[in-house]
Amino acid sequence: QQQVKQSPQSLIVQKGGISIINCAYENTAFDYFPWYQQFPGKGPALLIAIRPDVSEKKEGRFTISFNKSAKQFSLHIMDSQPGDSATYFCAASSASGGSEKLVFGKGTKLTVNP
Amino acid sequence: EPEVTQTPSHQVTQMGQEVILRCVPISNHLYFYWYRQILGQKVEFLVSFYNNEISEKSEIFDDQFSVERPDGSNFTLKIRSTKLEDSAMYFCASRGVDSPLHFGNGTRLTVT
Repeated sequence: QQQVKQSPQSLIVQKGGISIINCAYENTAFDYFPWYQQFPGKGPALLIAIRPDVSEKKEGRFTISFNKSAKQFSLHIMDSQPGDSATYFCAASSASGGSEKLVFGKGTKLTVNP
Repeated sequence: EPEVTQTPSHQVTQMGQEVILRCVPISNHLYFYWYRQILGQKVEFLVSFYNNEISEKSEIFDDQFSVERPDGSNFTLKIRSTKLEDSAMYFCASRGVDSPLHFGNGTRLTVT
């Protein structure tokens, strides 16, 4: 019940295209859903996050869509650029757990071709 | 922008040896974490630390692991007797009361 399932495992998109990564969770206590971007040799960096009181959040080219009833959330990258090539992790946490530890998905390796 | 700093960037050790991974969290943060990432796999929670004590730990964080905040700036992870399966990237992270989690760039631990 602590798992966050992420798909696809890898994604290849042409420059200018839309990248879509999906995640699903089971634990209804989760109340914070961030997306992290990781480049090789670096730590995960927060990209965008959402709480379940809204269904969508947009920051620049990045949008999170959240479906509470389906327990799913997704990341959309509009106008994808080669510089967006990285591994993306969805995650979830619950403030009720005390430590707010993040449970990560398995990651999606995004390649944006020029 | 303030950063979480980890040293060393790469540590090679022999099986059975003790290692200490070091982290300097962001200065006004109060919550500290260690995560690990085995090559090509997802990031896994190890332990969280607040108010000078462990607040939560995963099943990975067994008796061979310990954490310490020896002074006002450092946060360390010690592995007493390393095993081959401890080889991974270890990430330190910190956050403030209402701020998101910030990760360091990690220490690659190789156990031979």
